[in-house]
Amino acid sequence: AAGVIQSPRHLIKEKRETATLKCYPIPRHDTVYWYQQGPGQDPQFLISFYEKMQSDKGSIPDRFSAQQFSDYHSELNMSSLELGDSALYFCASSLVSGWISGELFFGEGSRLTVL
Amino acid sequence: DAKTTQPTSMDCAEGRAANLPCNHSTISGNEYVYWYRQIHSQGPQYIIHGLKNNETNEMASLIITEDRKSSTLILPHATLRDTAVYYCIVDTGTASKLTFGTGTRLQVTL
Repeated sequence: AAGVIQSPRHLIKEKRETATLKCYPIPRHDTVYWYQQGPGQDPQFLISFYEKMQSDKGSIPDRFSAQQFSDYHSELNMSSLELGDSALYFCASSLVSGWISGELFFGEGSRLTVL
Repeated sequence: DAKTTQPTSMDCAEGRAANLPCNHSTISGNEYVYWYRQIHSQGPQYIIHGLKNNETNEMASLIITEDRKSSTLILPHATLRDTAVYYCIVDTGTASKLTFGTGTRLQVTL
């Protein structure tokens, strides 16, 4: 079965550079979530989208932005990168109509390293 | 305030049942109990959820106390591949996010 696809899987950037992460949800899933997980930390919710509109916002820095496109894929844009942005970034998708079942499907993550 | 309280870590021998407790004494009537796990550096994985009845699926069983203030996730025959961090999450299931707290690190040993 198709899963959530994230790219790139690994990314190395310098401080103050910009990075873009992409997420392709499971076909027919209409909701996308982004999470950040620092070393030894629990996943922290950043932002979510439903039907291309932002549906909720968590602890996402102002330097970060995201959007969901017409084909439901999503991109997380990170600018002015800082050392503290080094983390695993997970994308998840779900059917909002099925959310009550609580099942979010997570991708394998993108590991960002900022030097 | 944290909605759930879980032990920081637990050990379990392979082949034995792993019983992971979770306290959620402030749970509301419309909130579900969800369990996820995260194997090292992989994306979190949904396990099971319940409202007030006990639930079972191919992965685990969920036992919720009658007053709903606590629950236990049971992995009936733990294997080494079950070594992971297990998260107990309380939510109405209508929010557009899932909030992870501090879970239980389960170590399954030979």
